[in-house]
Amino acid sequence: QQQVKQSPQSLIVQKGGISIINCAYENTAFDYFPWYQQFPGKGPALLIAIRPDVSEKKEGRFTISFNKSAKQFSLHIMDSQPGDSATYFCAASMSDYKLSFGAGTTVTVRA
Amino acid sequence: DTAVSQTPKYLVTQMGNDKSIKCEQNLGHDTMYWYKQDSKKFLKIMFSYNNKELIINETVPNRFSPKSPDKAHLNLHINSLELGDSAVYFCASQSQAGAQETQYFGPGTRLLVL
Repeated sequence: QQQVKQSPQSLIVQKGGISIINCAYENTAFDYFPWYQQFPGKGPALLIAIRPDVSEKKEGRFTISFNKSAKQFSLHIMDSQPGDSATYFCAASMSDYKLSFGAGTTVTVRA
Repeated sequence: DTAVSQTPKYLVTQMGNDKSIKCEQNLGHDTMYWYKQDSKKFLKIMFSYNNKELIINETVPNRFSPKSPDKAHLNLHINSLELGDSAVYFCASQSQAGAQETQYFGPGTRLLVL
């Protein structure tokens, strides 16, 4: 049973546009929410992460927005570039050792 | 120098065979994982070791047996391979147990069972 629901499954955006990926969770014990980026043929790599005591975290063109009451969080990619074309996974964990991943979103940035 | 390495990169084998995948990390981390990524790219944790001790064992068929000879290595042995085992297997490491640390993934082993 998937503990983190991610949407959309895929999206296409023009260069310079904004990509938005949404995730939702049910388990209120989750207290760490990372996003991983995976390029074709490679392993996932941590992109950015947030804890529920903040509502937003920005690193360069990537921003996580977190809504604790709605149990939702999202990744915004500003000024999307062709090099951002990849699969993005949201994830969540609690105080145990396990990351529960969303199903992934394939982002294609058209030049 | 690669932080988390896996061998082999590709593995094509027949149903019923036994195969092993090896993983090594040179980050000095205490914790290592095996994940399975299916054809729909869904990532699911299989096992985790902390300092050579098994700490996570998800609902995985007992045909899959992890082994950690030391904290830098975590191998995965699969007996009696089935068609459904075809997937990409990723090894990952983390500085210490506790999921609020970055996990560093290897490049993956693409297993195809014919």
